[in-house]
Amino acid sequence: QKEVEQNSGPLSVPEGAIASLNCTYSDRGSQSFFWYRQYSGKSPELIMSIYSNGDKEDGRFTAQLNKASQYVSLLIRDSQPSDSATYLCAVNMAAGNKLTFGGGTRVLVKP
Amino acid sequence: GAVVSQHPSWVICKSGTSVKIECRSLDFQATTMFWYRQFPKQSLMLMATSNEGSKATYEQGVEKDKFLINHASLTLSTLTVTSAHPEDSSFYICSALGGDTTDTQYFGPGTRLTVL
Repeated sequence: QKEVEQNSGPLSVPEGAIASLNCTYSDRGSQSFFWYRQYSGKSPELIMSIYSNGDKEDGRFTAQLNKASQYVSLLIRDSQPSDSATYLCAVNMAAGNKLTFGGGTRVLVKP
Repeated sequence: GAVVSQHPSWVICKSGTSVKIECRSLDFQATTMFWYRQFPKQSLMLMATSNEGSKATYEQGVEKDKFLINHASLTLSTLTVTSAHPEDSSFYICSALGGDTTDTQYFGPGTRLTVL
């Protein structure tokens, strides 16, 4: 069964620190990878997508992809209390652009 | 860009009634939309893929006769929960493919359904 795995957390980080989130996936043929942020009671919102090995930066967020290790990560620099949320890793594993979601990592940024 | 709306945002209904949820892409055309369900403290579970002008494709274990999906236009998909029961109470979220990319899903704000 195709899976996406994330540490459920909570990942507690002090304000201003770097939060590091990890995600592994089972389907070696996956090509598209996404990070979504979900606040409690809200729907997911897209943070960024990544398709190629290496790093991709967008503001305070950096996604890292290593297809050989089947691993994708998200770094949040200068973490703010407003970053406290659940972060969902999603992988496009099948035809038709269906996403397989990990269970999410809950992040708590403490002032 | 890539804004998706859902209506209603929340609904309370009696057991046995049907509820319709609308999902609209506001600033782009979406040939494909997805419907998810999320129970408390769980991740999103894909229910079905909705393609404009054709029948929806349901995931294994999802009853197509209970969750009716219609995608009649490039900007609107509807999910009807028929004969709702308390176990159908959940957070229903739609997403749409489109905008500036062909493989990125943009999510609507969700509809919280409570069946009494």
